[in-house]
Formats: sequence, C-alpha cells, structure tokens
Amino acid sequence: AQSVTQPDIHITVSEGASLELRCNYSYGATPYLFWYVQSPGQGLQLLLKYFSGDTLVQGIKGFEAEFKRSQSSFNLRKPSVHWSDAAEYFCAVGARSGGNEKLTFGTGTRLTIIP
Amino acid sequence: SAVISQKPSRDICQRGTSLTIQCQVDSQVTMMFWYRQQPGQSLTLIATANQGSEATYESGFVIDKFPISRPNLTFSTLTVSNMSPEDSSIYLCSVLPRGPGDTQYFGPGTRLTVL
Repeated sequence: AQSVTQPDIHITVSEGASLELRCNYSYGATPYLFWYVQSPGQGLQLLLKYFSGDTLVQGIKGFEAEFKRSQSSFNLRKPSVHWSDAAEYFCAVGARSGGNEKLTFGTGTRLTIIP
Repeated sequence: SAVISQKPSRDICQRGTSLTIQCQVDSQVTMMFWYRQQPGQSLTLIATANQGSEATYESGFVIDKFPISRPNLTFSTLTVSNMSPEDSSIYLCSVLPRGPGDTQYFGPGTRLTVL
C-alpha cells in the first residue's frame, strides 16, 4: 500500500522568503504525485501534479515541485512567499489498481507567513 | 476541470440522528469519491461512489454507517447515520472527470458538528 510522509507539521516563514515543503512517498510503481492547498474553511485546490515526463513541474501561484525517484521525494518550492500563501498544504500519491484510483494524503504542513 | 458544489456547507446535529450530504458536479464525471477530514487531520477516503451500483468502501467504513447513492454521472449523496460526536468532521466530495489517471477535483466540503 502507498503512503505519504510530510515531516514538517508547521512551518513559519517571512513574507518574501523562499519556501520548501517536504514530501516523501512510498509506492511500488511509478506514482502519480500531487500537491493540494487548503485555505481556512475552504476545500482543496490543486497546485500541481506529476504524472510522467519532466521531473520539475510548474504549478499555479508560482509553485513548483521536483520529483526525485532516487529519494522518493516530491518537495514543493516557491522562491518568494506572499501572505496569501498561508494555508495547509497536502501532498498526495495516486495509485491505480484494477481500474480504480485512490489518493493517499500526507498529514499536511501548516504554513504561517510573518510580515 | 469540474466545478463541484456540496450541500449543506455546514450543519450542527444531535447524536443519534442522520444527515445526508449532497454533491453536485457541473458536468458528467467518471468517478466520484467521498472523503472525511477529522479535526486537525488529513483526508481519509471513505468510499468510491459507483453509478448504478453499491459503493466501494475502504477499510474501516461500512455501508450501514455511511450509505452512499449515485443515481447519475453528476450527483451523489453521503449519509452519516446514527451520528456520534466522533463523526464531527469535514466531509468532502471529489471527482475524477475522465477516470483513472485524470486529476482529482474536490468540493468545498461539509463541516459537520455532532453534539
């Protein structure tokens, strides 16, 4: 069974600083990988996804993530954060089995932005 | 993409009662899912809603507690039965418009509090 680990429960960064959120996954085959963001009281919004091809993927709101198979990682980065980036970030791995697809989520990283 | 709405957006219920949550999509989709997000936790898949047949439940979730309907390709309901305070969570509907390998989109969620 697949699993996702987000080792950082809470991260605080200054506005304008760079950001990296860590994500490690466990899956026996090539995974589908996703980053979602959840603002307070909101549903989940897809930031970016990796299915295949270029291991550096670009997403919305200036985010990017890099798939590193050797490290089983899919870390999320942003060069300069904005106050509006404060939210909960979830990494997820998708697994296909018998025509079905399941998403397994990490426990999330809460991002706080300070002025 | 897909635009998903859920009703109600939030509710406060008494223990022992049941609540039905509706999920409506603006276009026909192949797969629909229901997730639970307990306070401060990540998302856990409850079941896959299958059109015209019984839902497929994940380990730890049973039909008697979480009956699901999916009468067509744009609509599904989740009922939380015989509620207890432990059922207080956010319940999210999600869809895979074109099936496995597509991007999963999430509704805004229903915030349920059980007293």
